[in-house]
Amino acid sequence: SAVISQKPSRDICQRGTSLTIQCQVDSQVTMMFWYRQQPGQSLTLIATANQGSEATYESGFVIDKFPISRPNLTFSTLTVSNMSPEDSSIYLCSALAGDREQYFGPGTRLTVT
Amino acid sequence: RKEVEQDPGPFNVPEGATVAFNCTYSNSASQSFFWYRQDCRKEPKLLMSVYSSGNEDGRFTAQLNRASQYISLLIRDSKLSDSATYLCVVSPMGGADGLTFGKGTHLIIQP
Repeated sequence: SAVISQKPSRDICQRGTSLTIQCQVDSQVTMMFWYRQQPGQSLTLIATANQGSEATYESGFVIDKFPISRPNLTFSTLTVSNMSPEDSSIYLCSALAGDREQYFGPGTRLTVT
Repeated sequence: RKEVEQDPGPFNVPEGATVAFNCTYSNSASQSFFWYRQDCRKEPKLLMSVYSSGNEDGRFTAQLNRASQYISLLIRDSKLSDSATYLCVVSPMGGADGLTFGKGTHLIIQP
């Protein structure tokens, strides 16, 4: 398995601002992902964070809104840009351990006012 | 049609009972299947992978039926600590892809 930490654990932000969430894995992993869990909903994949190249975004998510960095095999960031109240959600990163199982960080609870 | 469908419950079950959930998935090309458990205000935690031959881990048994595109989870001798939301999860091409989550089945074990 992999141990994953995220910072911040929670934040309250004003609309129009941006927040960068950090994800740190305790070992080198090939794949890292970012998900969103809106209130009362299940998780939705935002993008795959690719090391050394641009992230791969799912339908409905774009780089201008959710820029992602992955500078090495243990770290990634997700920025939520120009926030609106609709962006209030829990943002989770995950890492692929081995060849099939993903493990999740504790999440970042974002509230946009 | 939703990609992964689950009965949201809640399932209210007395301690010690056996409980089973199913989920169905729409993408017949899916390759990897999992059950995750999510406690309130926590991240999902991997409970078990699901293999074509079925697999068992202690009190938990998972089965996959590719022909009918459904996955099941059986919990025997349920404990109070089993109370959680159980998420059925599918990966289209294997573990290196993002995961598609069902909305989860809420289980409440009653003393």
